[in-house]
Amino acid sequence: QSVLTQPPSVSGAPGQRVTISCTGSSSNIGAGYDVHWYQQLPGTAPKLLIYGNSNRPSGVPDRFSGSKSGTSASLAITGLQAEDEADYYCQSYDSSLSPVFGGGTKLTVL
Amino acid sequence: EVQLVQSGAEVKKPGESLKISCKGSGYSFTSYWIGWVRQMPGKGLEWMGIIYPGDSDTRYSPSFQGQVTISADKSISTAYLQWSSLKASDTAMYYCVGFGELLPTGNWFDPWGQGTLVTVSS
Repeated sequence: QSVLTQPPSVSGAPGQRVTISCTGSSSNIGAGYDVHWYQQLPGTAPKLLIYGNSNRPSGVPDRFSGSKSGTSASLAITGLQAEDEADYYCQSYDSSLSPVFGGGTKLTVL
Repeated sequence: EVQLVQSGAEVKKPGESLKISCKGSGYSFTSYWIGWVRQMPGKGLEWMGIIYPGDSDTRYSPSFQGQVTISADKSISTAYLQWSSLKASDTAMYYCVGFGELLPTGNWFDPWGQGTLVTVSS
């Protein structure tokens, strides 16, 4: 069981907006640690998508955005495209300074 | 370009030893932390531990302490993950990741190596 909780799956039609939640606790996200997001396309290594709660690395489309509030964080994807179909993971730290991951969310583009 | 390149897939028998590698390029290897992440078949990501090649400061996740050894050879810009006695449950994809100085609000992992698939089967 992962320390951070994500929905196992979400889906949306092309062009729609979807959100993926990442729920933690007062010992990780709620303790002030940043949340980061990774995209794992089928058969490939994860790739950094959002860092520091809401920042996009160079090359990541602005269709992807992140936010954090209290003990939770969210990843939003607007203008959904077929190539967005992937697994998405959130990551933060816990009070023992260990990185922790969410269980991952499979995004299906209908 | 900052890049991490991992060694190739391995097939081993239970009880055998193994050492996989992760070579850094495009940056000062001694100035970046290198971490290892496990992904079991069809499962999520698990942090295993990290090493700072500059001084070999190594930290393990409690779940992996004593199960694996993380090391680095800064003369060849390479980090390692090794097992002394593999189990079938070690079958997984293993990724190395890089990040800079430890931040008080926590670090993100970038870049990622391409992954090394380890299969342990009799």
